[in-house]
Amino acid sequence: DGGITQSPKYLFRKEGQNVTLSCEQNLNHDAMYWYRQDPGQGLRLIYYSQIVNDFQKGDIAEGYSVSREKKESFPLTVTSAQKNPTAFYLCASSISVSQHYEQYFGPGTRLTVT
Amino acid sequence: AQSVSQHNHHVILSEAASLELGCNYSYGGTVNLFWYVQYPGQHLQLLLKYFSGDPLVKGIKGFEAEFIKSKFSFNLRKPSVQWSDTAEYFCAVNNNAGNMLTFGGGTRLMVKP
Repeated sequence: DGGITQSPKYLFRKEGQNVTLSCEQNLNHDAMYWYRQDPGQGLRLIYYSQIVNDFQKGDIAEGYSVSREKKESFPLTVTSAQKNPTAFYLCASSISVSQHYEQYFGPGTRLTVT
Repeated sequence: AQSVSQHNHHVILSEAASLELGCNYSYGGTVNLFWYVQYPGQHLQLLLKYFSGDPLVKGIKGFEAEFIKSKFSFNLRKPSVQWSDTAEYFCAVNNNAGNMLTFGGGTRLMVKP
């Protein structure tokens, strides 16, 4: 069954702690993306990666970090520097970063920081 | 920078009513346009997309959208909604710079049985 998996579905952390969200895809896609979804604001791009060992900042990268050591995996770390980390985080992938390929989304991780 | 506006934040309809959700974007060059849907508890999934050609695009589940370049719009329509269409709908745009999608704020649709 091909697709994108994100774990866990719900995550709770105390303020000041870093937390890493998992994203794995078995679609053999080169490009992967992280978005943050907040009510009324749609999805906003945090980071994206076109190929292994390469990634670029999106619109709201401050307080986040990523790695892309394997094609299948693109974990996102929410650091203590992120001022408002509570949100729904979505991972996506596409065949390439070319604009003619649609993005496929994972089920998301809801992070709550108290 | 491009932006996408969805003016209807919440829409409530009765079953069999017609639906039109507005989407306007600000980028002046060539764009690709998408509508995604997020059903309760499910993945965000693609409803339809426009890259080029016929500006009237047919998608899944009876949805369609019309690209009107002069109005910078890509409105989503369905002639007769069903209770199962209750979901949040997102319009998104990318441009020739790559596959970086810019999303609208979303429209929550509730269809009353």
